[in-house]
Amino acid sequence: AQTVTQSQPEMSVQEAETVTLSCTYDTSESNYYLFWYKQPPSRQMILVIRQEAYKQQNATENRFSVNFQKAAKSFSLKISDSQLGDTAMYFCAFMNLYNTDKLIFGTGTRLQVFP
Amino acid sequence: EPEVTQTPSHQVTQMGQEVILRCVPISNHLYFYWYRQILGQKVEFLVSFYNNEISEKSEIFDDQFSVERPDGSNFTLKIRSTKLEDSAMYFCASRDRNTYEQYFGPGTRLTVT
Repeated sequence: AQTVTQSQPEMSVQEAETVTLSCTYDTSESNYYLFWYKQPPSRQMILVIRQEAYKQQNATENRFSVNFQKAAKSFSLKISDSQLGDTAMYFCAFMNLYNTDKLIFGTGTRLQVFP
Repeated sequence: EPEVTQTPSHQVTQMGQEVILRCVPISNHLYFYWYRQILGQKVEFLVSFYNNEISEKSEIFDDQFSVERPDGSNFTLKIRSTKLEDSAMYFCASRDRNTYEQYFGPGTRLTVT
């Protein structure tokens, strides 16, 4: 069974600084997607970024980028120029494309951005 | 920008009662999902739905749960006889056929007393 591990329960960063959130996953499949979702205090789940496993190039969305290491099964999220509005829970999620499209989530990392 | 909507935002019910949680997916999406998040825990998959039938369901999705797409816009989750442990945030999500990105609604907080 696929699993997703986020080993950092909490992180903090000062405004304008850069922070990296870690995620590892376990799968025997080769075709899958990885996602990062943000959950602010409102508890809405907001898609931040997606990475297709077949793509070697790391995905980037404005201040958000990933470091995808397929062999190591690692998928970290880098937030540059952190803003107060980035304060939220961040969930890493895995989708195995072989015979399912459900999302498997990690336990989340609570990020606090300080002024 | 199109978005997934859910009603109600908060539902309080007594143990043993039936509840129906409602979702309106993004209009051109064809794949629909329900997830739940018990307070302080991770988000868990419940069920996926496509072409008017369940595609996949988790162990959590037992006989007390059912889903329906009663018309062209709504997607509902029914819990027949609620238990205390059903208290959670329930998220609806949808996606179109061209991408695997699932877009989530704002959630319904279900409190069972």
